[in-house]
Amino acid sequence: AQSVAQPEDQVNVAEGNPLTVKCTYSVSGNPYLFWYVQYPNRGLQFLLKYITGDNLVKGSYGFEAEFNKSQTSFHLKKPSALVSDSALYFCAVRDDSSASKIIFGSGTRLSIRP
Amino acid sequence: KAGVTQTPRYLIKTRGQQVTLSCSPISGHRSVSWYQQTPGQGLQFLFEYFSETQRNKGNFPGRFSGRQFSNSRSEMNVSTLELGDSALYLCASSRVPGELFFGEGSRLTVL
Repeated sequence: AQSVAQPEDQVNVAEGNPLTVKCTYSVSGNPYLFWYVQYPNRGLQFLLKYITGDNLVKGSYGFEAEFNKSQTSFHLKKPSALVSDSALYFCAVRDDSSASKIIFGSGTRLSIRP
Repeated sequence: KAGVTQTPRYLIKTRGQQVTLSCSPISGHRSVSWYQQTPGQGLQFLFEYFSETQRNKGNFPGRFSGRQFSNSRSEMNVSTLELGDSALYLCASSRVPGELFFGEGSRLTVL
């Protein structure tokens, strides 16, 4: 079965510093990977996806993610963090049995201090 | 373009009651998915509908059910509510598989 793991419950970064939110995946076929963000008391927002092609995927709000097949990772990155980036971030994978079923990781709370 | 709309936003029920939640997808989106979000279990997939047909179902008891109408609007129903059903219920619509557009959720509290 497909799954994603987010090993860090919380990541703390100073404003202006680069940030990384980690995600590893387990799939039986080709990985279809996604990142979503959730702001307080809101639904989730789509950030970016990896289907195939370049290992570096660019998304919304200056975020990018690096796909690494050998390490089965799909880490979310941003060169310079903003306080407004503070939110809950979810890594997700498409289920092998159905393209329309998306399985989410446990989430990582990102806190950017001024 | 209007986003995904969920109603009601907040509701309080007592054990044993039933609840119906509504979701209006983005215009043109035919797929609607439902998720349950709790602090302990995270985001769990409930079910997904496409053109009025349930395509996928998660591992939830039969008390959880849903349906989709011809205009793509969807409802989910939970019968015989339990305390553990307290959660944020999120609806998402999509046109491209995996690119989900979420509503702000319906927060259910069961007393």
